[in-house]
Parts: sequence; structure tokens; C-alpha cells
Amino acid sequence: GQSLEQPSEVTAVEGAIVQINCTYQTSGFYGLSWYQQHDGGAPTFLSYNALDGLEETGRFSSFLSRSDSYGYLLLQELQMKDSASYFCAVNSGGGFKTIFGAGTRLFVKA
Amino acid sequence: EAGVTQFPSHSVIEKGQTVTLRCDPISGHDNLYWYRRVMGKEIKFLLHFVKESKQDESGMPNNRFLAERTGGTYSTLKVQPAELEDSGVYFCASSQATGRSRSSDTQYFGPGTRLTVL
Repeated sequence: GQSLEQPSEVTAVEGAIVQINCTYQTSGFYGLSWYQQHDGGAPTFLSYNALDGLEETGRFSSFLSRSDSYGYLLLQELQMKDSASYFCAVNSGGGFKTIFGAGTRLFVKA
Repeated sequence: EAGVTQFPSHSVIEKGQTVTLRCDPISGHDNLYWYRRVMGKEIKFLLHFVKESKQDESGMPNNRFLAERTGGTYSTLKVQPAELEDSGVYFCASSQATGRSRSSDTQYFGPGTRLTVL
């Protein structure tokens, strides 16, 4: 079967750094994406890794190790507005079918 | 530029009734996807259109669900008859096709339709 595993909840304080891990088992792999979703809102795209290594976009970075079927999202200088759910997702099935994890709920405390 | 829109935002129906959800993708986006999230669980892929054609409908739960995309523009997802387990948030997303080699196509999500079946 196809599955993605990520922690259900993470709590951190403002200004800190947090890492959200994701391991996956899928048939077919084209890349790992990360999405952010605030309560009641639409998932919004954060980053995408097709190749091994680190991709940096401002305060957010994403890492992929294809050999380990593992990736993570790194959030630096946490702000209260970063409190949201974060989903890892694998592009498979010809590159357009996306399989999502169950999401990690991030709570940022003052 | 307008984003992906979905209608209605909420729908409350009784078991056995029919509901039709609508999605208007970003203009010019050939790819349209439907997803469903049951509370606390993953965002589950339902199906994928390329223009008016169903590219992949492997995630559709059963034949009570029917999706269409008339003329390759907006899409509808009909549930008939609705069951209790169909409750959840239905998301639509679209992406601009630039060729199958571009697997990094960003998907833009709509705000979702929250469906409650009583």
C-alpha cells in the first residue's frame, strides 16, 4: 500500500526552530511536497523536493533523502502565525497524483 | 488573478439525499483534482482530470460518486445517495500542465466544501 507517516502534533515556542519529519512508502515517486493549512483554510503549497538535499525558501527549508524514503520540513524563527497543519505529500503515478500524509498540527506558543 | 473557487462552502444534508459540489479552477489550468479530508485524517486523493478527461479516478470511493468536467472548465462532484461516512471536507485543486515531465507542478487548492451528512 501507499502511506506517509508524520507526527500528529508538535509544539514549539516563538523564535525557535522546529523540524517536521515525514517518511513515505509509495509505488512511484517523483517528489515530496509540503503544504500548510490554517484552520478553515485551503492547503497552500510551501515547497517541493525532487532530488536529494535541502531546498531553502526564506524561513522554511525542506529536505529529501530518496534512499531513506524520508524528508523533513524545517521552520526557523517561528512566529505565532505559523500555527497550522503541515502536510507532506508524494507526487506519484506519473507525477500528477498526489498522496498526502495525515498532517502535523503545529502549535506555536509565546 | 482569481484562485480556485468552490461552491457551496458548507452543505448539510440527510442520508440518502443528493449533493453536488462545484469547483472552478484557475483559468487556463488543464489539471483539476478532487480530494477529501475526513476530520483528523489525511487529505485523500479522489480523482484527476486533464481538461475534460478523467486521467486517474482510482481514489473514488464507490459508484455513488460521480465527477464531471464539462468542456474542460469547471467540475462537479455529485454524491448520490449520500451516506454518513461521506462527511468531510472536499477540496478541489488545479495546476497548469506544462508537460508530463514537469512533475513539480504546483497545485492550488480551493477553500473546500464542508459536507455533513446526518
